[in-house]
Amino acid sequence: DSGVTQTPKHLITATGQRVTLRCSPRSGDLSVYWYQQSLDQGLQFLIQYYNGEERAKGNILERFSAQQFPDLHSELNLSSLELGDSALYFCASSPAGNTIYFGEGSWLTVV
Amino acid sequence: GQNIDQPTEMTATEGAIVQINCTYQTSGFNGLFWYQQHAGEAPTFLSYNVLDGLEEKGRFSSFLSRSKGYSYLLLKELQMKDSASYLCAVIGPEKLTFGTGTRLTIIP
Repeated sequence: DSGVTQTPKHLITATGQRVTLRCSPRSGDLSVYWYQQSLDQGLQFLIQYYNGEERAKGNILERFSAQQFPDLHSELNLSSLELGDSALYFCASSPAGNTIYFGEGSWLTVV
Repeated sequence: GQNIDQPTEMTATEGAIVQINCTYQTSGFNGLFWYQQHAGEAPTFLSYNVLDGLEEKGRFSSFLSRSKGYSYLLLKELQMKDSASYLCAVIGPEKLTFGTGTRLTIIP
């Protein structure tokens, strides 16, 4: 158990819908990262937050947004969902950048 | 930007040694990670190198040469459970970027 908690673990939704994925980082970790992993693909960096502020942005679509709240949990919002958005979405947290811990991921299936 | 290259697939024999290479180009370097990932599971941390040289941790070792933009992960005494994808990742000034991973298959 890495200490990073993601919910929901599995989600099936229809095209055009909107979903929210939630992440609770390890206690005390200020950095939160979001990654997308499609079937048999590598981890694609989406976005990073540090102590509530956006720190870095990767290949995140405009239909996607994220935020980190004062209690340090983070949410990834995915809207106008398309079939191609089906993927495993990972959240990771880090205390200082030299070790990054991943949650178990949220499986999103868009039908 | 950052670019990371590693072989797509490798096969090795149980009990043997395998070396997985990773080359990278980055505009800023703050460290290199190796992660293991079984299909459908979260990546798990194996090693972190920020200085040149070899870091040994049990059956796994990781080497870094910053001047060459090169790292390798060495796995010894291979076990069937080592069949997984191995991800090289570089942390730059602002973000952690992963390579596409090397899928390692261990055969008896």
